[in-house]
Amino acid sequence: KAGVTQTPRYLIKTRGQQVTLSCSPISGHRSVSWYQQTPGQGLQFLFEYFSETQRNKGNFPGRFSGRQFSNSRSEMNVSTLELGDSALYLCASSLEGGRTEAFFGQGTRLTVV
Amino acid sequence: GESVGLHLPTLSVQEGDNSIINCAYSNSASDYFIWYKQESGKGPQFIIDIRSNMDKRQGQRVTVLLNKTVKHLSLQIAATQPGDSAVYFCAENPNSGYALNFGKGTSLLVTP
Repeated sequence: KAGVTQTPRYLIKTRGQQVTLSCSPISGHRSVSWYQQTPGQGLQFLFEYFSETQRNKGNFPGRFSGRQFSNSRSEMNVSTLELGDSALYLCASSLEGGRTEAFFGQGTRLTVV
Repeated sequence: GESVGLHLPTLSVQEGDNSIINCAYSNSASDYFIWYKQESGKGPQFIIDIRSNMDKRQGQRVTVLLNKTVKHLSLQIAATQPGDSAVYFCAENPNSGYALNFGKGTSLLVTP
């Protein structure tokens, strides 16, 4: 079956702009989590959605937001981009979240210039 | 604050040898741990997990050991192969929540 699909794979944006990233989970998975990966901070949790509801949020500013649709697809949005937002953004899907196995997509590489 | 950390940032082993990657955690409430492998240009790939009611769990060529007394986790890879070269992350799921806390990662390099 198809894995987790993230689009786009690469993105270049200018400071101050906003960006929307998309994640299609594995069929049947209802939990989608987002992580930011940078060389300095490693993998950091952004938020998790289950059945269109945000169940958990990491320690990121309000510029970072997300949502989940009825088909479990998820989007995350970053407004007023800063240079420090340059990172690999990873999406993971699982059946129910928590202790269930999470499968990651290949990520979206965002570069802010 | 409480965190998950790794003892060594890089590890070089010869092909065919066994590899051991270590991880320390400080959150005593953590009850679920996972090891991920990340190859260049790819997302993390699930390797193996273990719950806090277990001390050891084995998979194909991999074994995870959990020592709750000293809050230590290790991943053993038997007969390491060139395809095992990657960055390995340990992650914890504290308090049965919905977020994973990842360690910084250990880069494993397998030499012929």
